Amino acid sequence: DIQMTQSPSTLSASVGDRVTITCRASQSIDRWLAWYQQKPGKAPNLLIYESSILESGAPSRFSGSGSGTEFTLTISSLQPDDFATYYCQQYNRDLTFGGGTKVEIK
Amino acid sequence: QLQLQESGPGLVKPSETLSLTCTVSGGSINTITYYWGWIRQPPGRGLEYIASIYHSGTTYFNPSLKSRVTISLDTSRNQFSLKLSSVTAADTAVYYCATIPRVGDYLDHWGQGTLVTVSS
Repeated sequence: DIQMTQSPSTLSASVGDRVTITCRASQSIDRWLAWYQQKPGKAPNLLIYESSILESGAPSRFSGSGSGTEFTLTISSLQPDDFATYYCQQYNRDLTFGGGTKVEIK
Repeated sequence: QLQLQESGPGLVKPSETLSLTCTVSGGSINTITYYWGWIRQPPGRGLEYIASIYHSGTTYFNPSLKSRVTISLDTSRNQFSLKLSSVTAADTAVYYCATIPRVGDYLDHWGQGTLVTVSS
């Protein structure tokens, strides 16, 4: 099965910072990658699919890029509502998630 | 707007079968647009795909759970269900139901989740 590795596992940042989270696949997944935001006690919320397509309703400060085995999620200017945990998920073969990146207040 | 709601017992004894139902509102479970899926999240940990089902009855499973999982549709009630047999404490988790668009296996609508604890 395809393993997904996210880095860092925790990230400390301030409001207004540009934030980048990386997700690496154990084998090529083309562009079949999604990103989710999850807040404590809530279900995950889809942000991006097919590596770079912004889900309807997701803020434009979120962007995704990458193909093959390396992907990034970027938040252009971190907002108070963005402090949360972010997960990547591949869907090239089966569905597997990364371990998550918690974005904390610095 | 499509909405999903999980229901079922919050406590299951070891070795028994966990049974959950997801009720869909705002759309028909008979649609060609979506697969219907289950995902779980142990407390303080990451997400794990369990299984999904299409309106035709086609099913997909996480290979590591396949031997213990049954997923089914009830079109008359607009619901789909999950059964996980021979549970242990490792199956304690928040269980989510979600939609998976036919065009790509990501998860775009989620239920709020329900915590199932496996304990005697």
